[in-house]
Amino acid sequence: QVQLQESGPGLVKPSQTLSLTCAVSGGSISSDNYYWSWIRQPAGQALEWIGRISFSGSTHYNPSLKSRVTISIDTSKNQFSLKVSSVTAADTAVYYCARGPSGTYHQYWGQGTLVTVSS
Amino acid sequence: DIQMTQSPSTLSASVGDRVTITCRASQSISSYLAWYQQKPGKAPRLLIYKASSLESGVPSRFSGSGSGTEFTLTISSLQPDDFATYYCQQYNSYSTFGQGTKVEIQ
Repeated sequence: QVQLQESGPGLVKPSQTLSLTCAVSGGSISSDNYYWSWIRQPAGQALEWIGRISFSGSTHYNPSLKSRVTISIDTSKNQFSLKVSSVTAADTAVYYCARGPSGTYHQYWGQGTLVTVSS
Repeated sequence: DIQMTQSPSTLSASVGDRVTITCRASQSISSYLAWYQQKPGKAPRLLIYKASSLESGVPSRFSGSGSGTEFTLTISSLQPDDFATYYCQQYNSYSTFGQGTKVEIQ
């Protein structure tokens, strides 16, 4: 069964860039049947979809975050990444990576990683 | 953007109760709806996809119905392990989650 694991700094300063990586095991990221997504959740709040990428590099982003978000994929390392630029305290959240059938629901999730934006 | 509205926000129930959660979309999403269960400190777990298809390994007391703009998640007989927060998600146009429904012990 596929497993996903997020990693990256737990603390980012305001105005800087948040960078996270999701390592995939138990399956290849190079499949045209799936999209690989990032989702976040501020403490006590709802889930927010950030964006997704296919193995070929096709991306789709949440319009509310599109100007600050970049998702990329590294098939040689079986991982994909998230960058959010110009972060503020509002970007403080648990960030999840997930896999789902092309452009649909999120079937498998990582355990999540907390990122705090603070000076 | 498609908005998803869940009701109620909080639901108090007892073990054995039949529980229904509603999710409404701001425009038609056909049957492109999923339901998730989330417990504190854990990642969400997929329960239902395509409005009514049960994910493998999910107990049969969970069921989903609806199409277009109105959907429901039903738990036929609430179990102790079911006290959690439930989210709907549309995937007709990208992905949007509802604000969640917390099912708590009455």
